[in-house]
Amino acid sequence: AQSVAQPEDQVNVAEGNPLTVKCTYSVSGNPYLFWYVQYPNRGLQFLLKYITGDNLVKGSYGFEAEFNKSQTSFHLKKPSALVSDSALYFCAVRDRDGNNRLAFGKGNQVVVIP
Amino acid sequence: DGGITQSPKYLFRKEGQNVTLSCEQNLNHDAMYWYRQDPGQGLRLIYYSQIVNDFQKGDIAEGYSVSREKKESFPLTVTSAQKNPTAFYLCASTRLGSNEQFFGPGTRLTVL
Repeated sequence: AQSVAQPEDQVNVAEGNPLTVKCTYSVSGNPYLFWYVQYPNRGLQFLLKYITGDNLVKGSYGFEAEFNKSQTSFHLKKPSALVSDSALYFCAVRDRDGNNRLAFGKGNQVVVIP
Repeated sequence: DGGITQSPKYLFRKEGQNVTLSCEQNLNHDAMYWYRQDPGQGLRLIYYSQIVNDFQKGDIAEGYSVSREKKESFPLTVTSAQKNPTAFYLCASTRLGSNEQFFGPGTRLTVL
């Protein structure tokens, strides 16, 4: 069964500094990988996905993520964090067997300090 | 939150009562999902349905039931058998053959 690990509970970063949120995954075969963001008491919003092709994926709001097959990682990055980026971030993975089931990590709270 | 609506936004229930959470989508998506979110545990899959009149258990189906009589609707019933129902419940949908899931705004259920 597929699974995701997000090792840090909270990530604190100063506004304007680079932001990294870590994610490693476990899946049989090649994965589909996703990042979602959640603001308080709201649903999840899709940020970006890796399906195939370039390992560096660009998404919404200036975020990007790099797929690293050898390290089974899909870390989310943003070159310059904004206070408005403060939210809960989820990494998710699914395998390619067609059932569309996603496995989510536990989430990382990002706090951008002004 | 796209074309997925969940109602109500907040729901209070007395212990021992069943309660039904609504999820409706106008995206013409084939598959629909129910997740439960608890602090520090991420999202856990309760039930999912890929076509009308068919659904499968997810990882934590005990104490829950669903129906899929229409493509647009996938209501979730939290029964009195669910031991710890207080949580944030999220509904999602996707078009078969697509990859990302679209989420509704969620329902926060509190058992008093």
